[in-house]
Amino acid sequence: GENVEQHPSTLSVQEGDSAVIKCTYSDSASNYFPWYKQELGKGPQLIIDIRSNVGEKKDQRIAVTLNKTAKHFSLHITETQPEDSAVYFCAARASGGSYIPTFGRGTSLIVHP
Amino acid sequence: ETGVTQTPRHLVMGMTNKKSLKCEQHLGHNAMYWYKQSAKKPLELMFVYNFKEQTENNSVPSRFSPECPNSSHLFLHLHTLQPEDSALYLCASSLQGQGVSNQPQHFGDGTRLSIL
Repeated sequence: GENVEQHPSTLSVQEGDSAVIKCTYSDSASNYFPWYKQELGKGPQLIIDIRSNVGEKKDQRIAVTLNKTAKHFSLHITETQPEDSAVYFCAARASGGSYIPTFGRGTSLIVHP
Repeated sequence: ETGVTQTPRHLVMGMTNKKSLKCEQHLGHNAMYWYKQSAKKPLELMFVYNFKEQTENNSVPSRFSPECPNSSHLFLHLHTLQPEDSALYLCASSLQGQGVSNQPQHFGDGTRLSIL
């Protein structure tokens, strides 16, 4: 089955800095990679996703990159703000067979004002 | 507003009690999921339903009993739970099937369960 590794487990940055969270996956059949943000007391919310036919996707201050050859993908947050503080999860899923994603263990991002 | 509503938000129960968690989605999805989220552990998939049929049971103890009466509602019935079952229980839904690919899961805000 799929195995997703996520690093770092904790990331502390100053407001205005950039933050990068990295994930690797094992199943070359995986072709869909969503990222979720979980704020305190809430469930995970989808913030951006990327499909394997695209190498990069951007949405305002958030971008995701995908390297299919190396089987890794990353979340980039620029100009971080205190409200970006949350736990971020990456996931990977293949379109054929099981449609259930495999999640990383999460990264706790702390943005200091 | 996520489109997935879970009730109650918090639940405290004794080990001998019986209670149920409820999940309702207003997104027109056909697949629904139960996850367990414990501190310092990854998300644990418990059950999956697709068009009301259970398609996954991830070796969950029988003290957890799911029920999916229709594609919009999902329940998790609890009885004789153990202290280690204290966790955040998350419900999610998604659109799955032929002609539909790469659709994300939408999560509710969870039920925080504490077993005394």
